[in-house]
Amino acid sequence: DGGITQSPKYLFRKEGQNVTLSCEQNLNHDAMYWYRQDPGQGLRLIYYSQIVNDFQKGDIAEGYSVSREKKESFPLTVTSAQKNPTAFYLCASSLQGSNEQYFGPGTRLTVT
Amino acid sequence: AQSVTQPDIHITVSEGASLELRCNYSYGATPYLFWYVQSPGQGLQLLLKYFSGDTLVQGIKGFEAEFKRSQSSFNLRKPSVHWSDAAEYFCAVGPYHQGAQKLVFGQGTRLTINP
Repeated sequence: DGGITQSPKYLFRKEGQNVTLSCEQNLNHDAMYWYRQDPGQGLRLIYYSQIVNDFQKGDIAEGYSVSREKKESFPLTVTSAQKNPTAFYLCASSLQGSNEQYFGPGTRLTVT
Repeated sequence: AQSVTQPDIHITVSEGASLELRCNYSYGATPYLFWYVQSPGQGLQLLLKYFSGDTLVQGIKGFEAEFKRSQSSFNLRKPSVHWSDAAEYFCAVGPYHQGAQKLVFGQGTRLTINP
């Protein structure tokens, strides 16, 4: 079955630690995205990548970093510089030039 | 700047009743419009989309939406809701041209179904 996987589903970290969230897709999509979801705020775009080895900042990129070394993978690192990292993180992908995005199941990150 | 407004944060309807979820957008060009549904703790699933043609579009799970350019609206409807429709619904708008693929999402409407 084609789809997007995010792991783990739940992640707990201590404040001051960097943490990397995994996102893998086997849909052969060129573009991938990371969103952050907080209660009552909808989805906010963190980073997106249209092709391998290239990515752009979204609306709330500060405190986050990404890499796109393979078409199938787009990991997100939440750094210690992110002031309020506890949130639900969603990864998505789409065909090049398409706005129809397919979403993974999400990772809930809790930082204490 | 583009924006999406979903005026209703939370709606409660009885099972079997009709449903309409509102979505208003602000966009400077021809929009590409979407409705997504999210069950608790899950990712988003695409319900339907519109970018041209017939302004009434049909989606999955018996949902439909109507694009009204004059009102900048894209409201989601269902004639008779089922308990399984309880979820959060998001409207989104994006550009209708290649190369730029950023979507802007509304804040979401949480739907509760009364038995």
